[in-house]
Amino acid sequence: GDSVTQMEGPVTLSEEAFLTINCTYTATGYPSLFWYVQYPGEGLQLLLKATKADDKGSNKGFEATYRKETTSFHLEKGSVQVSDSAVYFCALRVGGNNRLAFGKGNQVVVIP
Amino acid sequence: DAGITQSPRHKVTETGTPVTLRCHQTENHRYMYWYRQDPGHGLRLIHYSYGVKDTDKGEVSDGYSVSRSKTEDFLLTLESATSSQTSVYFCAISESKGDGTEAFFGQGTRLTVV
Repeated sequence: GDSVTQMEGPVTLSEEAFLTINCTYTATGYPSLFWYVQYPGEGLQLLLKATKADDKGSNKGFEATYRKETTSFHLEKGSVQVSDSAVYFCALRVGGNNRLAFGKGNQVVVIP
Repeated sequence: DAGITQSPRHKVTETGTPVTLRCHQTENHRYMYWYRQDPGHGLRLIHYSYGVKDTDKGEVSDGYSVSRSKTEDFLLTLESATSSQTSVYFCAISESKGDGTEAFFGQGTRLTVV
């Protein structure tokens, strides 16, 4: 079935470093793709989305481009801050009824 | 803020007891979802609802039931709690936007089964 795969393991980096989190998907057709962020003790919040191939979603300095040819939706930010420390989830819409399938998430820790 | 409230926020219960978690929304959304979040698994869909009294199973529905007797409330019941159901449970709604559909999440309920 439709699914997303995120790179394994937490990500630790220094403030102002470049962040990339990989996400690849398996799907029939061209589903909408999402990145959600979860700050400590909170629920998930939508960070950005893309609804068709070659779309670029962006928000708060984060970007991700819907790549049909590589079935990818990698998240990037050019200069991270300590406040970006959170768990990041890639997701895609599956089937009907607006359901979402999530990747396993990546813990990002930004060190001052 | 999509007006989603989960209750309780924290609960400790004993193995074998029934537990009900409540999700309340104030904006008349049609679709509601229950997910569980576990380390190494991300979020997994338990059950969802597409209208009053209309529900369906997600990928990890065994041991759970749901009810939606009115639009604003979606209840998740653990019929006989087990330690494997210790988790953080999130309710979500989906809302149609001009350029697609977005999901909004509640704050979560941390359930510990001892």
